[in-house]
Amino acid sequence: AQTVTQSQPEMSVQEAETVTLSCTYDTSENNYYLFWYKQPPSRQMILVIRQEAYKQQNATENRFSVNFQKAAKSFSLKISDSQLGDTAMYFCAFMKLHAGGTSYGKLTFGQGTILTVHP
Amino acid sequence: DAGVTQSPTHLIKTRGQQVTLRCSPKSGHDTVSWYQQALGQGPQFIFQYYEEEERQRGNFPDRFSGHQFPNYSSELNVNALLLGDSALYLCASSFYGELFFGEGSRLTVL
Repeated sequence: AQTVTQSQPEMSVQEAETVTLSCTYDTSENNYYLFWYKQPPSRQMILVIRQEAYKQQNATENRFSVNFQKAAKSFSLKISDSQLGDTAMYFCAFMKLHAGGTSYGKLTFGQGTILTVHP
Repeated sequence: DAGVTQSPTHLIKTRGQQVTLRCSPKSGHDTVSWYQQALGQGPQFIFQYYEEEERQRGNFPDRFSGHQFPNYSSELNVNALLLGDSALYLCASSFYGELFFGEGSRLTVL
């Protein structure tokens, strides 16, 4: 079974600054995806960024980037130029890929990190 | 293009009752997954439906059951409600991997 650990229950950052959220995971699988999701108070889970385990290059999406360390099983999220709208709960999640690339829609989530961006 | 829609958004039940939650997937998506999210926690996978069959199940008792219809929409049923079933229930639809979530149904059991 896979486990995902987010060791920072809460983080805060000033607007326009940079913040890094930590995530570690434990798995014996070799074929998987990792995700960061954002959940604002509106409740809807929104995909921030995705990393395929077979790719060595770290994923980036505009102000969001990851530091994927496969051997260390670490997957941190860096948010640059933080904006007030980034305030939300952030979840790290693991998805095992089965034969043929099937995931069965099963994500294993961490406990979440509440990020507050201050003006 | 409508995203994933869930109903109802909020509901209150008492212990022992039964509840049905509904989900319409994003257009073109054929797979629906259900998650339970307790307050302040990460979501937990309940099960996934594909081609009207339950394809994989998480660690939830048989009181949790589901159904998928030919139009790919889905229902989650919970019988004999317990106080601990109070949570946000999220539905996610997918097509070849990426999951799109709805806004959830907030269930309170008194």
